[in-house]
Amino acid sequence: SQQGEEDPQALSIQEGENATMNCSYKTSINNLQWYRQNSGRGLVHLILIRSNEREKHSGRLRVTLDTSKKSSSLLITASRAADTASYFCATGKMDSSYKLIFGSGTRLLVRP
Amino acid sequence: EPEVTQTPSHQVTQMGQEVILRCVPISNHLYFYWYRQILGQKVEFLVSFYNNEISEKSEIFDDQFSVERPDGSNFTLKIRSTKLEDSAMYFCASSEVRKGRNQPQHFGDGTRLSIL
Repeated sequence: SQQGEEDPQALSIQEGENATMNCSYKTSINNLQWYRQNSGRGLVHLILIRSNEREKHSGRLRVTLDTSKKSSSLLITASRAADTASYFCATGKMDSSYKLIFGSGTRLLVRP
Repeated sequence: EPEVTQTPSHQVTQMGQEVILRCVPISNHLYFYWYRQILGQKVEFLVSFYNNEISEKSEIFDDQFSVERPDGSNFTLKIRSTKLEDSAMYFCASSEVRKGRNQPQHFGDGTRLSIL
């Protein structure tokens, strides 16, 4: 089964607007993480939210987690052109490997 | 800020040849991973490595793949006989280990592997 599917697949907004990306998953998790990927670069960790947390903030980022609906959202407030990137959610289970299962990502374009 | 480094950034190899991708994880991290991303597709887990052994591997990680930590700093991924479908971006990652709690994984910038 697929894990960590984001929507929308692509999002285009004006600088200064807020961007909201959603992620749904299918199996039980220990935590959910959001990563950013600039074109041709590696993944940069943004925020980790554990299964017993409902909301977490980091600067202009706000992440929510609803384990009953198996969904999470990433909100970027007051977006900047530099926020243009692909954003991925990744789920982690508490097992021996701590592997991450990534979604297909949301491509965010912030127009200056 | 410490970071994961990967070399080379781009590797072009003939089909059937062996290739070794190299990674230097963050020095105090104990868990190491390889992922790959075929162009336009999801990032896929390949293998995790802890305490000098594989802790989990995916279906992709067949007998053609192997990992090694040859010394105290490097972590390598070897593909013995490359296929066209091995063309992808390969990412190395590392994380701290705190018992029972997943930690953020720190990724390198990747090696783009092109099989001709």
